Amino acid sequence: GAGVSQSPRYKVAKRGQDVALRCDPISGHVSLFWYQQALGQGPEFLTYFQNEAQLDKSGLPSDRFFAERPEGSVSTLKIQRTQQEDSAVYLCASSPTLGNYNSPLHFGNGTRLTVT
Amino acid sequence: GQNIDQPTEMTATEGAIVQINCTYQTSGFNGLFWYQQHAGEAPTFLSYNVLDGLEEKGRFSSFLSRSKGYSYLLLKELQMKDSASYLCAVREEDDKIIFGKGTRLHILP
Repeated sequence: GAGVSQSPRYKVAKRGQDVALRCDPISGHVSLFWYQQALGQGPEFLTYFQNEAQLDKSGLPSDRFFAERPEGSVSTLKIQRTQQEDSAVYLCASSPTLGNYNSPLHFGNGTRLTVT
Repeated sequence: GQNIDQPTEMTATEGAIVQINCTYQTSGFNGLFWYQQHAGEAPTFLSYNVLDGLEEKGRFSSFLSRSKGYSYLLLKELQMKDSASYLCAVREEDDKIIFGKGTRLHILP
């Protein structure tokens, strides 16, 4: 079956450019998470959604980062005026029903962003 | 505040046993996950613990002590393909899932 799909797989942006990263979760999955992973580090929480509601965005590094999930399915992470420190792998993960605490996250393959 | 600690790197020998520890201090607790991540790949789910005790799944076992804020992942009969990073993650009471920095495990022949 289809897993979590992220696009693009790789993105090279010039400093100051805006980028948009897309995540297609597993169909029917209620929860959707975004993480930022630097080389050799664990995934750092950015934000998460339950359906279309963004429940926590405390991990977004600055107001240049914005995430949305308008119809409770596909999500987009937008980074405005990219900086070199934004270079990382951006991972999206989804999870099925609410309150089912043993439901693991299913990860996409990530988008590797390089800002030059 | 939130804090999940695990060793940065470990080395073990093929065929041996290794234990990777994780301690946590988080805002509420709704379970602890272990994930495996090979270089350049997405994390994959290994185990989930919410009650104290040991959960065994083949060569991998995971232990939890909620009162101590402590978990470990035990890998037996190590194989070269077990060389990877192992990530400890906690689901907090608001459903947010946060990860430790990961433990890179090197297996020597």
